[in-house]
This record gives sequence, structure tokens and C-alpha cells, in this order.
Amino acid sequence: QVQLVQSGAEVKKPGSSVKISCRASGGTFSNYAVSWVRQAPGQGLEWMGGISPIVGTPSYAQKFQGRVTITADDSTSTVYMELSSLTSEDTAVFYCAAVDTDLLSHYYYYYLDVWGKGTPVTVSS
Amino acid sequence: EIVMTQSPATLSVSPGERATLSCRASQSVNDHLAWYQHKPGQAPRLLIYGASTRATGIPARFSASGSGTEFTLTISSLQSEDFAVYYCQQYNNWPPHTFGQGTKVEIK
Repeated sequence: QVQLVQSGAEVKKPGSSVKISCRASGGTFSNYAVSWVRQAPGQGLEWMGGISPIVGTPSYAQKFQGRVTITADDSTSTVYMELSSLTSEDTAVFYCAAVDTDLLSHYYYYYLDVWGKGTPVTVSS
Repeated sequence: EIVMTQSPATLSVSPGERATLSCRASQSVNDHLAWYQHKPGQAPRLLIYGASTRATGIPARFSASGSGTEFTLTISSLQSEDFAVYYCQQYNNWPPHTFGQGTKVEIK
């Protein structure tokens, strides 16, 4: 089973963008569906979007549509999440999470098996 | 968007006692329901998928049931390491994969 290694903490200005990476250690992402989940201070978990090798194109929660972009670099087994037009409300910990689609009964129905440790993002002027 | 509602928001339980957490979906999610445990400063951990299947390495004191719109997670005898926030998540109709708001299990 892969481990997910996320990039480090970020501090950003309002209106800017942040790009966070999630690298598979001990394997590759080629068979994995990868999602990004946000947790704002004092709040619960919120699914932002995900990318699956079989579906191909990323899917995004409506709330983040137009502001979030998830991309994958198979050559480095890394998935990226970029969030633009940041506001203070985007201050949160961002997690990547993944599941090996070979383990699923159906590729479409995927849960979040392996998690990264999280990347804190602070948005402040 | 499917709304997931968890109850109670907070559950106060003594070590060794049973804890029962509930999760309700606004429409059927079949058995495409997962439970996660989340402790402060740590990554969430998958406990249950497919509504009732324990993930690898999850102790047998964790069990879950349900289908459609009503789901339950039971911790048969709470250990000190089980005090955490628990989330249910549906992955039947997405985007988005929606989470419940969480149930905090605290020491009584």
C-alpha cells in the first residue's frame, strides 16, 4: 500500500493561488483514485474533488467549481491540487486521500483508504 | 447533493462502554457508505467501507451496519485511543462525496 507525502505548509495572500502536491511513496498512482479533502478550523471534513484513472477527467464539488484544479503527473506519481482566488475562508488543512481501484468492487464507487498527513494553508493579508 | 446527517453531535462515554453513532442520508446511498476516525493533528483513518466492511487493521470492536439511508457505527468497548471525531461519508452519488458533520466521542 502506498503512503501519501504532501507538500509543506503555505501562507498566502488573499486573491492569490496555492498549489499543493501529493506524492505516492512506495508505489505509483497509476491505479489509484485520489481525492482532496479540506478541513477548516473547527469544522468538519469537506470533499473538494478527485481524479480517477478510469474516469480520467477530474470531478469537483460544485462549491469549488471554477476555483480548483486537480492534475496528475504519472511520471512522478504526484497529484496536485490548485485553489485560486483565495480568501481567509480558505484557511484550512488540505488532505489528499486515495484508494487502489483494483480493490474496488466497481471503479466508480470509491472511498478514501490512504490519507496524507495534511497541508496547512493560511490565507492572511 | 446528498446531505449526510450524523447524530449525536457529541457522545460522552466511559471507557469500556459501548458507543453507537448514527448517520442518515437524504436519499439512498445503497451500501456506499464509509466511516472515518479523525484525531486532532492526525490524518483521518478509514474504519469501514461498503457500510459494514472493516478496513485493514481495524479492531473487531468496530462494527457497522445499514443500507439505503440509515447507518450505524458501533464501538463495542471503548478504549482510550477511540476518543475522536467520527465521520460518515457517502460515495454513491458524486460529485460530491459528502461527509456528515461528525460525531465527537468524548470521555465521560
